[in-house]
Amino acid sequence: EVVMTQSPVTLSVSPGERATLSCRASQSIGSHLVWYQQKPGQAPRLLIHGASTRASGIPARFSGSGSGTEFTLTISSLQSEDFAVYYCQQYDHWPPLTFGGGTKVEIK
Amino acid sequence: QVQVQESGPGLVKPSETLALTCTVSGGSVNSGDYYWSWIRQSPGKGLEWIGYVSYDGTSNRNPSLKDRLSVSLDTPNNQFSLKLSSVTAADTAIYYCARYHRVQGWFDPWGQGILATVSS
Repeated sequence: EVVMTQSPVTLSVSPGERATLSCRASQSIGSHLVWYQQKPGQAPRLLIHGASTRASGIPARFSGSGSGTEFTLTISSLQSEDFAVYYCQQYDHWPPLTFGGGTKVEIK
Repeated sequence: QVQVQESGPGLVKPSETLALTCTVSGGSVNSGDYYWSWIRQSPGKGLEWIGYVSYDGTSNRNPSLKDRLSVSLDTPNNQFSLKLSSVTAADTAIYYCARYHRVQGWFDPWGQGILATVSS
């Protein structure tokens, strides 16, 4: 099973600042990585697939990068609606499909 | 646009079977591009992929649940279902159904989720 490790667990950022979230895979997964955003009481929302391709309707301030075992989600200028938990998910070696433990982006 | 919605009992007794259904609207489960999937999230915890069923009825399950899990497709009603047997308190979670793109690897859309509590 591919273990996905996200860091930090909590990220405190001021509105308008840049947020950088990390996701590490226990083995190489190429670019087979997806990012989701989850707000309290809601289902996850698809943000990025293929490590760097924004899903339909996702603002350009969200960008993804990386390949192999190291991946990054960057939010260039945090808006109030961006404070949430972010999960990564790999789809290279499965079953099982696996998710990271999440990074909570909170207001500083 | 495609939407999915979970339904089923919110309370299950220990050792019994949890049975949930996901209804798909705005699209057909009879599509070879997608797998119809279940994911769960334990209270305050992360996400765990449970399993999927394909348009042709084939399925795949998380090895951690394999012996207890059944996922099936109901094409005429555009639904798919989950049955998890011999449940314990550890199976208490929000259960989501979602469409999974078999090539691009993403889950979208997701249902709103249903809280299934295992308790006597």
